[in-house]
Parts: sequence; C-alpha cells; structure tokens
Amino acid sequence: EAGVAQSPRYKIIEKRQSVAFWCNPISGHATLYWYQQILGQGPKLLIQFQNNGVVDDSQLPKDRFSAERLKGVDSTLKIQPAKLEDSAVYLCASSTTSGGTETQYFGPGTRLLVL
Amino acid sequence: GENVEQHPSTLSVQEGDSAVIKCTYSDSASNYFPWYKQELGKGPQLIIDIRSNVGEKKDQRIAVTLNKTAKHFSLHITETQPEDSAVYFCAASIGSGGFKTIFGAGTRLFVKA
Repeated sequence: EAGVAQSPRYKIIEKRQSVAFWCNPISGHATLYWYQQILGQGPKLLIQFQNNGVVDDSQLPKDRFSAERLKGVDSTLKIQPAKLEDSAVYLCASSTTSGGTETQYFGPGTRLLVL
Repeated sequence: GENVEQHPSTLSVQEGDSAVIKCTYSDSASNYFPWYKQELGKGPQLIIDIRSNVGEKKDQRIAVTLNKTAKHFSLHITETQPEDSAVYFCAASIGSGGFKTIFGAGTRLFVKA
C-alpha cells in the first residue's frame, strides 16, 4: 500500500512570499490532517478534514494560512504571506478506522525555510 | 490551553538496557494516547497506543502504562537496540479519531552499542 505523499520535500522562500504544499493521502482514508513541526518540538495540529469538510481548524492562523481538500482526496496548504517563524516541517497525515481505532499515517513532510 | 508535557528531552542508554519516557496531559477529556517514533527526515510512525479504559498494553519489547487519575502515561522499551535510536513523541487526543491531538515535545533516545 502506498503511503502518504507530499510535495515538494523542501522549499526555500523569502519572507512575504507565498508557498503551497500538496498532500495525497492513502487511498480510501477519509480523514486528513496538516501539522506544523518546528525544529525540536512535537507536531502541532493546524487543520483536520473529514472527507472535504473541516473538523477542526482552531489552531490554523487564518490570516495567512489556508487549506482545502477538494473532492475529499488531495489537499493543499497555503501560506500567504510567509513570515520567518513559519520555518518548519509541514506534515500531512491521513487515517482510517480499523477495529475501533483510528491510526494516523504520516507523510515525510515538507521542510520550509523562510529567509 | 491544553498541554502535554514529556520527559526527558534526551535519553542515552546502553544497548540491552531499558528506556522509560513519561508524559503528563492536562485535558481530562483526552481518552486516546498514541506513541510515535520519528527517524531523521521521516514523518512520525505509530508504535503503540492505549485507550483510557486500559491501564497497560504490551507489544513485544514495547509497553505503555496509563494512570488516568494522575493524567500520566509512560512508554517502556526493554532490551534496547541501536535501531531504537530516534525521537519519540507521546500524544493525547479526544476519541480515537485524532480529534484535538496534542503532541509532547519529544524525547531523543540514543542507544549506545
């Protein structure tokens, strides 16, 4: 079974520029998550989708971050404009339920450096 | 806000010894506690999890304990091997569906051969 795919793997931009990340979840997984992982910290949930609807976006900085999941499959996360503190790894995860437990599978992440 | 504290931040053990990582959570509504292993350049990978209606769970060399009253849960790795070296994260969420998942800051484990 193919894992969660993310692109690009690395991105370097200057502050105030825009950037977009793409995620392709595991086939059949209804739930998709975007996390921000700052160096030396644990992942922080930004947004959770169930199919193409938002379940939780309470920690998404909506003045500059946006995310969508059209057709309930692929998802994009956008930052506009980027700030220096947005430098982090952006992880996408998807999940499915088996035996009453929902396991999250993470992609390799996109490492963003804002200069 | 809700928080998950994880200790220690770094742990170095000799191959064959045991390693213990401890976490404390604040949200009493949390009832699902997964543990993840993250290797360099990769995303976190689930290694074991426990629900609030269970006090202990074991899978080969890995075990997790939960004290819901004290809001503590711990990861125990026995007979450590060099390939166990990685960063380990605890997390707490509401329900098993990942809702309101909060991660600890991570523990970097070094297993010396």
